[in-house]
Amino acid sequence: DAKTTQPPSMDCAEGRAANLPCNHSTISGNEYVYWYRQIHSQGPQYIIHGLKNNETNEMASLIITEDRKSSTLILPHATLRDTAVYYCIVRVAGQAGTALIFGKGTTLSVSS
Amino acid sequence: DTGVSQNPRHKITKRGQNVTFRCDPISEHNRLYWYRQTLGQGPEFLTYFQNEAQLEKSRLLSDRFSAERPKGSFSTLEIQRTEQGDSAMYLCASSLSPGFGTDTQYFGPGTRLTVL
Repeated sequence: DAKTTQPPSMDCAEGRAANLPCNHSTISGNEYVYWYRQIHSQGPQYIIHGLKNNETNEMASLIITEDRKSSTLILPHATLRDTAVYYCIVRVAGQAGTALIFGKGTTLSVSS
Repeated sequence: DTGVSQNPRHKITKRGQNVTFRCDPISEHNRLYWYRQTLGQGPEFLTYFQNEAQLEKSRLLSDRFSAERPKGSFSTLEIQRTEQGDSAMYLCASSLSPGFGTDTQYFGPGTRLTVL
């Protein structure tokens, strides 16, 4: 799977949008971009994934550049409960045995 | 809630003892994964089942680690002769194979193991 690069930490004020970047310059055409987050001492939580189109769900929006070499996860109105480590992962979806390969992620701190 | 469940949530054991953890996946999910997470690191893949077949186990950390999924439903992860370096969070995830979507993995809350 392609490697990803994320900033180690980011800060965000409560109520503002949090924009978390991810670089995946070696992504292959059949690889999806997945985002998970992990709140302290809990299991990772799935947020969103996409292939090449922008995606939105009740938690977040995912913006993927046209060349697919980078993406941004957007939390439109961050709350204190969004403080977590956010992981950007690329993988071939559905292929047997393709585990998620986690990096160190971005620690997002939301403050009031 | 019908998410992934793991038991126990916490386990404290003495070095040299055997421990077993259980994972119950989301109902009808046919794929089940085990990961390990040490402090300050992201989860690390250990092994994977499709139904009852263990299709990937080369990432198991040593021959002291073994996993089963006897009827294609719940799974167990056993660590024999535990060592202090085995102290970690052990995570389980499940997913539905292609044909129903993109095989998104959903994680349980984890079992935190402390080896004294």
